[in-house]
Amino acid sequence: QKEVEQNSGPLSVPEGAIASLNCTYSDRGSQSFFWYRQYSGKSPELIMFIYSNGDKEDGRFTAQLNKASQYVSLLIRDSQPSDSATYLCAVRPVIRGNNRLAFGKGNQVVVIP
Amino acid sequence: GAVVSQHPSRVICKSGTSVKIECRSLDFQATTMFWYRQFPKQSLMLMATSNEGSKATYEQGVEKDKFLINHASLTLSTLTVTSAHPEDSSFYICSAAPGAGEQYFGPGTRLTVT
Repeated sequence: QKEVEQNSGPLSVPEGAIASLNCTYSDRGSQSFFWYRQYSGKSPELIMFIYSNGDKEDGRFTAQLNKASQYVSLLIRDSQPSDSATYLCAVRPVIRGNNRLAFGKGNQVVVIP
Repeated sequence: GAVVSQHPSRVICKSGTSVKIECRSLDFQATTMFWYRQFPKQSLMLMATSNEGSKATYEQGVEKDKFLINHASLTLSTLTVTSAHPEDSSFYICSAAPGAGEQYFGPGTRLTVT
């Protein structure tokens, strides 16, 4: 079982709609969860982190964490063409006991004007 | 805050030469720095984890004698690709972690070996 799994993509959404991205993880003891955005040809950029069950909102982004079900999601409201990128889910697993993050393969989002 | 720089941003070198890439955390001290490689349209691959003053921990399949990592201070780590070959051409990205949580990425270095 992969440490972090993301849906296969890409996800096409019309401008103004909500983009919903899901991620599951295997290490039940994980405590820290992150979403990164990566534009084509660029390095990843941290956009959200969440540590507690529930929702966390930051502008048009909402991260949702459900530790019992071992999933974390990202909602992008009022999607804009500038949101077109690959979104990486990252989890800090406890198993190895270091600061390493486990990354999913990423979800490509395409916002159609 | 949380700015990480990388230098150079792009380098072209001849096969057989060595290339050094610097990674600096500009406004925080990084307990740990990480080096990743990313081939076109593929996911990030962690190469190694380094802590200041100690030897780097390499991921399985990454040759430590080919990819030399020096973590000289809490704000500087370097990756040297020794005897580079065309198959080493890739996008090398460092990240720095101020603590046990999030990582902040540098802008990356695009290496082309001719």
